[in-house]
Amino acid sequence: GNSVTQMEGPVTLSEEAFLTINCTYTATGYPSLFWYVQYPGEGLQLLLKATKADDKGSNKGFEATYRKETTSFHLEKGSVQVSDSAVYFCALVGYNAGNMLTFGGGTRLMVKP
Amino acid sequence: DVKVTQSSRYLVKRTGEKVFLECVQDMDHENMFWYRQDPGLGLRLIYFSYDVKMKEKGDIPEGYSVSREKKERFSLILESASTNQTSMYLCASRGQGTPQQFFGPGTRLTVL
Repeated sequence: GNSVTQMEGPVTLSEEAFLTINCTYTATGYPSLFWYVQYPGEGLQLLLKATKADDKGSNKGFEATYRKETTSFHLEKGSVQVSDSAVYFCALVGYNAGNMLTFGGGTRLMVKP
Repeated sequence: DVKVTQSSRYLVKRTGEKVFLECVQDMDHENMFWYRQDPGLGLRLIYFSYDVKMKEKGDIPEGYSVSREKKERFSLILESASTNQTSMYLCASRGQGTPQQFFGPGTRLTVL
């Protein structure tokens, strides 16, 4: 079946530091890949997505590139802010999976001023 | 913007009580979902519904049931709450032909 593995948190960074949150996946065929973000006290929001190999999703300064050869979709940001503190979820929709999402375990990011 | 609302942000119930969690979406979406979120486990699908009165079991349906009498409303029912059902419950909805789900703010349920 499909699965998503994320680095365990929490990740603690100082403001303006570089962020990487690793995500790898297992799926048959060509899944679509997503990053969702959950700010404190809120539900999940779609942050970015990529639907085919070598696509780069980007939003709010975050980027992730769909790497089929390494089955990865790592999330990066060049300079984090305190307001980026949240839980980040990597997810996929498998090919012919009826648009059902499979989530990773989530990574909590804490950014200190 | 799509809005998904959940009836309560926080709930405290006692073991053995019947618990209803309500979810309403305003975008005429066909598909609705209930997840529970636990630290380190991500989101796990409990039940989903692809149409009125239709429901399908997700990965962890045991101890839960659902009801979808109207398109905009999807209810999660704990027939007899237990302490291992203490969790954050998230509702989501999705239109046809797209994988993007829209989430509600969540209900944090504590069962004593």
